[in-house]
Amino acid sequence: AQSVTQPDIHITVSEGASLELRCNYSYGATPYLFWYVQSPGQGLQLLLKYFSGDTLVQGIKGFEAEFKRSQSSFNLRKPSVHWSDAAEYFCAVGANTGTASKLTFGTGTRLQVTL
Amino acid sequence: DAGITQSPRHKVTETGTPVTLRCHQTENHRYMYWYRQDPGHGLRLIHYSYGVKDTDKGEVSDGYSVSRSKTEDFLLTLESATSSQTSVYFCAIRDRAYEQYFGPGTRLTVT
Repeated sequence: AQSVTQPDIHITVSEGASLELRCNYSYGATPYLFWYVQSPGQGLQLLLKYFSGDTLVQGIKGFEAEFKRSQSSFNLRKPSVHWSDAAEYFCAVGANTGTASKLTFGTGTRLQVTL
Repeated sequence: DAGITQSPRHKVTETGTPVTLRCHQTENHRYMYWYRQDPGHGLRLIHYSYGVKDTDKGEVSDGYSVSRSKTEDFLLTLESATSSQTSVYFCAIRDRAYEQYFGPGTRLTVT
């Protein structure tokens, strides 16, 4: 069964500082990997995805993530955080086998940005 | 914008009453999903559909049923609501690029 671990429940960074959010997954084959962001009271917005190919993927809002198969990780990074990045971030792993096309989400990391 | 709406957006109901949540999409996507979001649990899949009248269970399906009689609508029913079903419910669609897009959510409170 697939699973996702986000080890950090809450992270605080200063505006302008760099950011790395950790995500570890468990999946038997090459996974589909996603990062979503959720602002308070809102739905989830897709930041970026990895399916295959280049292991460094670029997303919206200046985010990037790197797939490391040897570490079963898909960490999200941003070189300089803006106050508007304060939100909750979810990593997800996907399976697409037969009629199944399902995502398993991590429990999320809440990002606080101090000015 | 994936053209997903959910109704109602907020609902308060009493224990033991039936509740139906509706998800509507405008872009004819084949796959639709229902998730619940609870603090400390992230999003958990309740049921999903891979076509009209084709549905399957997710990881937390007990106490929930779904129906999909036409492509654009996916209904989630709580046959007899319990306090443990107080949650925020999100509908999602999956597009041809295997990306899931989410609706705005329904906040359900069972008293």
